[in-house]
Amino acid sequence: DIQMTQSPSTLSASVGDRVTITCRASQSINNWLAWYQQKPGKAPKLLIYKASTLQSGVPSRFSGSGSGTEFTLTISCLQPDDFATYYCQQYNSYSIYTFGQGTKLEIK
Amino acid sequence: DVQLVESGGGLVQPGGSLRLSCVASGFTFSNYYMSWVRQAPGKGLEWVANIKEDGSAQFYVDSVKGRFTISRDNAKNSLSLQMKYLGAEDTAMYYCGRLIKGDGSYDIWGQGALVTVSA
Repeated sequence: DIQMTQSPSTLSASVGDRVTITCRASQSINNWLAWYQQKPGKAPKLLIYKASTLQSGVPSRFSGSGSGTEFTLTISCLQPDDFATYYCQQYNSYSIYTFGQGTKLEIK
Repeated sequence: DVQLVESGGGLVQPGGSLRLSCVASGFTFSNYYMSWVRQAPGKGLEWVANIKEDGSAQFYVDSVKGRFTISRDNAKNSLSLQMKYLGAEDTAMYYCGRLIKGDGSYDIWGQGALVTVSA
């Protein structure tokens, strides 16, 4: 099975900062990767799919890049609403999906 | 509005069974792969199962194979998860999700149904 490793597990940052979260796959997943934001008590929200495609309605300060085994989610200018937990998800086939363990973005 | 609404969660004893339902509205349900994803308290997301648009194929995470069954009724715009032989490790919020067409990411999520397995 494909394992997904996110780093860091926790990230402290300030409003206005540029932050990057990394997700590594244990084998190539081409560009079959999504990023989600989750706030406490809420369902996840899709931010990016196919590694770099911005979901409709998501602010352009969010961007994704990468292919193969290494991927990044970048938030260019942190806003107060962005403090949440972020997950990557690989979907290299319909038969087995895997999420990363999550990155909690905290206010410094 | 495009919406998914789960129901059926609750407290169940170890070894017991429970059936979750997810009703879709605002889109053509039969055109989409659907899925269940769970999240144990304080933990990360875990994919549980997928089902093809016409219900002809289902896929499961290893930990639930043989115990959980995903199914759908396209006439009723309904997705189900039948869970048997439940253990404490199955305690989680269960979300149904719609997969983007031709992709494997989830663009629509339900609000979740909490399943607690405890004596």
